[in-house]
Amino acid sequence: SQQGEEDPQALSIQEGENATMNCSYKTSINNLQWYRQNSGRGLVHLILIRSNEREKHSGRLRVTLDTSKKSSSLLITASRAADTASYFCATFPQGGSEKLVFGKGTKLTVNP
Amino acid sequence: DAGVIQSPRHEVTEMGQEVTLRCKPISGHDYLFWYRQTMMRGLELLIYFNNNVPIDDSGMPEDRFSAKMPNASFSTLKIQPSEPRDSAVYFCASSSLGGATEAFFGQGTRLTVV
Repeated sequence: SQQGEEDPQALSIQEGENATMNCSYKTSINNLQWYRQNSGRGLVHLILIRSNEREKHSGRLRVTLDTSKKSSSLLITASRAADTASYFCATFPQGGSEKLVFGKGTKLTVNP
Repeated sequence: DAGVIQSPRHEVTEMGQEVTLRCKPISGHDYLFWYRQTMMRGLELLIYFNNNVPIDDSGMPEDRFSAKMPNASFSTLKIQPSEPRDSAVYFCASSSLGGATEAFFGQGTRLTVV
C-alpha cells in the first residue's frame, strides 16, 4: 500500500508563480524524500528531510515536515517551464525495513 | 560513474513469453531496488537486495516474477510467462544506505506485453 499521498494530483501554474505540493503519510518515519520525474525518464532525487528537521532549503526548493500531522510540503519558488514534471514524496518508515515507499505523485505543469 | 543502467529501454513481447530485465547499479551501492510504475497503481516496490541478498520480496506480484542478484554489479528481473497486465515501466534503483539516503534511479524499461 502507498505510504505517502500527494495533493493535489495535478497542478497547473504560470511561469514565475510558486508551486506548493503536499504529502501526507500514515506511519512514523525516519526521513521523507522528494523526487522529480520528467516524462519518460527515471526519478531524480531532490531533497531529503529527516524526522528531527522541520524545514530544509535547496536552491528554489523549500521542504517542510510536520511529524505531528504526518505531512510535508514542497514549495518551488519562481517556477520555470523546465520545472514541468511529476513530483513524488517517498517515506523511509521506522521499523527496520530499508525500503522507500512512494506516493502517486503530483503532476506539475508550468506554462510559459 | 554512469549511474544506474537498465536494459533494454523498451521491450515488446507476446503473452506467454519470458522477459528478462537487467540492471547495473552504481558501484559501491549496497542496496538495489526494483520498482514497477503504472498509471493505476503508481510506483510499487517489488523487491530489494542488500549486499546481493534478497531482503524483502513481498511486493512481487506472483510466482511468475523472480529476481536475482548474482553479484554486486548486476541484477535481473524475470517474468515467465508474461501477461498483458504486466505491461508497465520497471525501474531499478540503488543506494548506499537503503532508505536512509537518496536512491538513484535508472531510466527504466518500458514493457509492453501484447
